[in-house]
Amino acid sequence: DAEITQSPRHKITETGRQVTLACHQTWNHNNMFWYRQDLGHGLRLIHYSYGVQDTNKGEVSDGYSVSRSNTEDLPLTLESAASSQTSVYFCASSESLAGGGEQFFGPGTRLTVL
Amino acid sequence: LAKTTQPISMDSYEGQEVNITCSHNNIATNDYITWYQQFPSQGPRFIIQGYKTKVTNEVASLFIPADRKSSTLSLPRVSLSDTAVYYCLVTNTNAGKSTFGDGTTLTVKP
Repeated sequence: DAEITQSPRHKITETGRQVTLACHQTWNHNNMFWYRQDLGHGLRLIHYSYGVQDTNKGEVSDGYSVSRSNTEDLPLTLESAASSQTSVYFCASSESLAGGGEQFFGPGTRLTVL
Repeated sequence: LAKTTQPISMDSYEGQEVNITCSHNNIATNDYITWYQQFPSQGPRFIIQGYKTKVTNEVASLFIPADRKSSTLSLPRVSLSDTAVYYCLVTNTNAGKSTFGDGTTLTVKP
């Protein structure tokens, strides 16, 4: 069955380190998204991509970067991790942009920055 | 994208119908209304999407009045497993990105 996976599921790192979170989907969806969810709050969009070599900034993109070299993967990199980036990170993909498109979410990565 | 406002929390009992209303006063012509459900420690899951009037699927109904400035998600005969956070989103047909608010925490009691 097609799916969307994230790795690692849990990560503890130190301030200043570079961290990369992986996202892989097997639906062959063109659209992929990264969100962060802080405790007790909704999701905020970090970066998104509409296809290979396309990346766009979301509402909270500072300190994060993404690259899209193929359809299946959209890794999220924290260039220099900060304690404020402690959060749960969700990756999502969608097939269609029509009506905003139904997004399929991964299980999330819980990141702790000490 | 238009900002949405929905109640922070709601309580209900098993077997009751639950209606969660969302306001989106600045909704644009090309915008749709989409609802997601999220359980603890899981990613959100799509429930339903609509543009106007009424949409129904196997789990919920979505009512959108003519002015589209609000919408109501209706969950028939809820069970304990419907306890979750429900997000109302305004999504644009020309852009796949969405803005999530803080959602409504629905607690279903026995």
